[in-house]
Amino acid sequence: DAKTTQPNSMESNEEEPVHLPCNHSTISGTDYIHWYRQLPSQGPEYVIHGLTSNVNNRMASLAIAEDRKSSTLILHRATLRDAAVYYCILRDRFRSSARQLTFGSGTQLTVLP
Amino acid sequence: DAGVTQSPTHLIKTRGQQVTLRCSPKSGHDTVSWYQQALGQGPQFIFQYYEEEERQRGNFPDRFSGHQFPNYSSELNVNALLLGDSALYLCASSHRLLDATNEKLFFGSGTQLSVL
Repeated sequence: DAKTTQPNSMESNEEEPVHLPCNHSTISGTDYIHWYRQLPSQGPEYVIHGLTSNVNNRMASLAIAEDRKSSTLILHRATLRDAAVYYCILRDRFRSSARQLTFGSGTQLTVLP
Repeated sequence: DAGVTQSPTHLIKTRGQQVTLRCSPKSGHDTVSWYQQALGQGPQFIFQYYEEEERQRGNFPDRFSGHQFPNYSSELNVNALLLGDSALYLCASSHRLLDATNEKLFFGSGTQLSVL
């Protein structure tokens, strides 16, 4: 299975954009890129996912490199509530393992007031 | 919508004991998965239940077992507890889709298990 690499931690100022990177150089053509985040004392929550094209929703944007070997989760305006561990996860639609999430260590985002 | 609910929130057991954790999925969801999260690490997949059967299993010993009921709720049982079983146990529910990669998992807040 393809693996992801994320920085251990990042800091951002409140009300500024945040770009969270994820490297997945061995990604396959059928791997979807998913992002989940885990707020303190809570379970993970879904953020966004995509295959090739950039994706937007009310929480964030996902920018996927043209070669798909990296992606970036963009929080357009960070708030204190966005402080969490962010996980970048690959799910291959043609593998049985697609029905489970394989979490790495994620990126701990600290938002400074 | 109550979301995914887990009980109890905290539990303390001693080595060798058995424990049962419970999960009620989000309304409309038919699939339940269980994850173990050790301190400072990402969650690790234990197993998944759909139509009252275990469909997938992660790299966990047979001491970990589960059940899904007709109302889609689920239990996680751990026998012969070890100190290393101390962790946050997370339940996630989803609505099973033909294309699994479009399934969104909804997690509960977990049960914190301490084994002394």
